[in-house]
This record gives sequence, structure tokens and C-alpha cells, in this order.
Amino acid sequence: DVKVTQSSRYLVKRTGEKVFLECVQDMDHENMFWYRQDPGLGLRLIYFSYDVKMKEKGDIPEGYSVSREKKERFSLILESASTNQTSMYLCASSLYGAYHNSPLHFGNGTRLTVT
Amino acid sequence: AQTVTQSQPEMSVQEAETVTLSCTYDTSESDYYLFWYKQPPSRQMILVIRQEAYKQQNATENRFSVNFQKAAKSFSLKISDSQLGDAAMYFCAFINNAGNMLTFGGGTRLMVKP
Repeated sequence: DVKVTQSSRYLVKRTGEKVFLECVQDMDHENMFWYRQDPGLGLRLIYFSYDVKMKEKGDIPEGYSVSREKKERFSLILESASTNQTSMYLCASSLYGAYHNSPLHFGNGTRLTVT
Repeated sequence: AQTVTQSQPEMSVQEAETVTLSCTYDTSESDYYLFWYKQPPSRQMILVIRQEAYKQQNATENRFSVNFQKAAKSFSLKISDSQLGDAAMYFCAFINNAGNMLTFGGGTRLMVKP
């Protein structure tokens, strides 16, 4: 089974702090994604990466950056956390870029609170 | 841009009964894929079922089936013989044939009463 591991289940940070959310997958997947989940809004894509050192903006990249130095690890960075970034963050990976042939595998999420 | 709408924020069903979750989408594409994902309290998102738009036959996975109405842009999920373990958030999602990004609906919370 594919395992996608997010380093923290709960995180509390202060406004203005730099925040790192880490995600590791163990199946040599090409693609990795960061989503944000908010009530009533579903999941919205922040960034995705289709290869090491490659990244593409999703629907809501503002206030975030990402890093993919190794294939198995995809980090989401909040350069200066703000209260409107309080949310659930979900990492996912897939073998190929075309979702229809390559389902997403999700981590268990990190619930981030910014105070 | 594609949009996916789930009009039912919450639904409840009695154990062993059948429930249908609604999903509509908007796209100008003719070739695309639709999915239902389940997110239980553990938060682990799980793919429940998928449908290719070019297939007229509705997809089925055990107790889960879809009613895909392409002209109406509707993609509902039917859960038969509901079980307590079906209680979760359910998300409808869309991707076109060349896309890399799934578009998700807002989710429906399903409660199962014993």
C-alpha cells in the first residue's frame, strides 16, 4: 500500500511565523500535491510538483511556497503565517500526471491553527 | 474553468437503508473523468468510485453506484445497505482528459444512524 505521511497531525503557530509542513511518500510517485480543505469549500489545490525541483501553482498559491528537493518529499512553506491560513492541509501523491489512470493517495492531514 | 457543486452539506441515513448524494458540475469539455472520494474521521481520503465521461454505463463498486447524467451534468452517488462505517465526508471531483488538477466540490457529510 502507498503510504503518504504528513509530519504533524496538529500544529499551532503564531502570526508572522515561518511554517513548514512536510510530506513524504514511499512509492516513488512522480507527482505530489498540497491541498487546503475548508468547510463548504472542499479541497483547493495550492501547489503541485511533477518532478524533483519542479512546481506548478494551483488555484490558491498566494502566501505559500513549496520545495521538492527529493522525489519522496514535498514541503509546503508559509513564509509569514496569517490567521486566514488556519485550515486543514492535505498532501497527496500519484504515480502519473493523468489522474484518471493514476489515483491520488492522500496523507492524514495537518490541522494548522494560526493565532 | 470547471466548477463542482454539492448542494447537500449534510445527509443522514438509517443503517441498511439507501442514500443518494448529489453532485453537479459545469464544464465545456466533452472528455473528462468524475470521482467520489470518502474522508472518514481518520481524515484519510479514499477513492470510492470513478466514471469516465465517454462511458454511458454507470460505474459500480459493491454497494456504491453512480447515476451519471452527462447531458444534465449530474453525477450522484448511491450507497445501498448503508453501514456505520460509511459515515464520512464525501467529495465529488472532476478532471478533464488533459488536466493535472482535480476540482473538488464542497463536500457532503453523511451520518449513519444505527
